[in-house]
Amino acid sequence: ETGVTQTPRHLVMGMTNKKSLKCEQHLGHNAMYWYKQSAKKPLELMFVYNFKEQTENNSVPSRFSPECPNSSHLFLHLHTLQPEDSALYLCASSQDRSGSLAYEQYFGPGTRLTVT
Amino acid sequence: GQQVMQIPQYQHVQEGEDFTTYCNSSTTLSNIQWYKQRPGGHPVFLIQLVKSGEVKKQKRLTFQFGEAKKNSSLHITATQTTDVGTYFCAAGYSGSARQLTFGSGTQLTVLP
Repeated sequence: ETGVTQTPRHLVMGMTNKKSLKCEQHLGHNAMYWYKQSAKKPLELMFVYNFKEQTENNSVPSRFSPECPNSSHLFLHLHTLQPEDSALYLCASSQDRSGSLAYEQYFGPGTRLTVT
Repeated sequence: GQQVMQIPQYQHVQEGEDFTTYCNSSTTLSNIQWYKQRPGGHPVFLIQLVKSGEVKKQKRLTFQFGEAKKNSSLHITATQTTDVGTYFCAAGYSGSARQLTFGSGTQLTVLP
């Protein structure tokens, strides 16, 4: 599946580094999401963008900064991370329609982040 | 925030045995989705349930949505080694239209 791509696939960074994760969706969707997946924890929603506007920010620390320049691209800028931020970061997209239902999400392969 | 409980956390079955995972919410859901994540992979959408009491089937997989729209189950008949992975439910709540609340997942191991 190549509908949603993420780069890099693996990233090791020190606590003082600055790095960015990139996500691109080729599905023509209008909503994009960042999730954090840690061992033994549910998928944690971090950010939601709909029509390029951030609509949700689930109390994520400011060391994570999202950017959505257009409906196909999503970035997650990282700086001064902590070791507990090590996790799999998943990007997803969906086609948001009118109504009250949450629609199916298509996930990218993820970036495995290790903070040393 | 909203929480959805998923059990069991782990399940080991012999190939050919059945498997069921359950999700429960304390509040009424607008819809529920199921995803499968293979080892080393990413979650892949399986199905969505919207109506009270809805039952949907995909080959050996049967998905149910409770009458009160507070619980759901995924049942696999006669498991195969290809069923290995973690199964997540994802709940949609009214007022949180663009958010899904994921369960913690059930990790299924199928022994040949």
